[in-house]
Amino acid sequence: AQSVTQLGSHVSVSEGALVLLRCNYSSSVPPYLFWYVQYPNQGLQLLLKYTSAATLVKGINGFEAEFKKSETSFHLTKPSAHMSDAAEYFCAVMGTGANNLFFGTGTRLTVIP
Amino acid sequence: GAGVSQSPSNKVTEKGKDVELRCDPISGHTALYWYRQRLGQGLEFLIYFQGNSAPDKSGLPSDRFSAERTGESVSTLTIQRTQQEDSAVYLCASSLFGGGNTEAFFGQGTRLTVV
Repeated sequence: AQSVTQLGSHVSVSEGALVLLRCNYSSSVPPYLFWYVQYPNQGLQLLLKYTSAATLVKGINGFEAEFKKSETSFHLTKPSAHMSDAAEYFCAVMGTGANNLFFGTGTRLTVIP
Repeated sequence: GAGVSQSPSNKVTEKGKDVELRCDPISGHTALYWYRQRLGQGLEFLIYFQGNSAPDKSGLPSDRFSAERTGESVSTLTIQRTQQEDSAVYLCASSLFGGGNTEAFFGQGTRLTVV
């Protein structure tokens, strides 16, 4: 079975500060891992994904995430937060050979001017 | 179509009534997912279709919930005898093949309110 845990339902950072959103996964098989973003009043869109090609994955809008098997983590980072990054971020996991995409509970990011 | 389309965008219904929620996936996408998102919570997996078949229905909360897909295209999620606890945003997503190497594209959702 696969699942993800997102630590921190709300994260606030100052504009220009580092963004770190945490995600830990549980999977009985090598996982595929995803980060999705939901901007206010918009649908979810894919930010980046890990599919075993490289452990450091770069996504849109300057975000990246690193797959760490030893820590079962896939934390999302961005060196410098921008006001437009304020949104809800969801981590998701899919097991290889499976097709069910399971989401975490989400982290709401607030960027303070 | 250009994206995943869901209808209606909003639905208010009385407790005990049946509702149908529709999802039009991106043309050619064989995989289709339904999720439920309660206020302030994450996405709860409901059901997954590959073509017209649903290999995993494990997320459907009760036998009041059912879903079908026809023509490897449109899917309908039906909730019978709605309860207030069914109030949520219902999200549909589609992807080209399913599996981790393909991106799931989401619709805007249907906001269901049971009064």
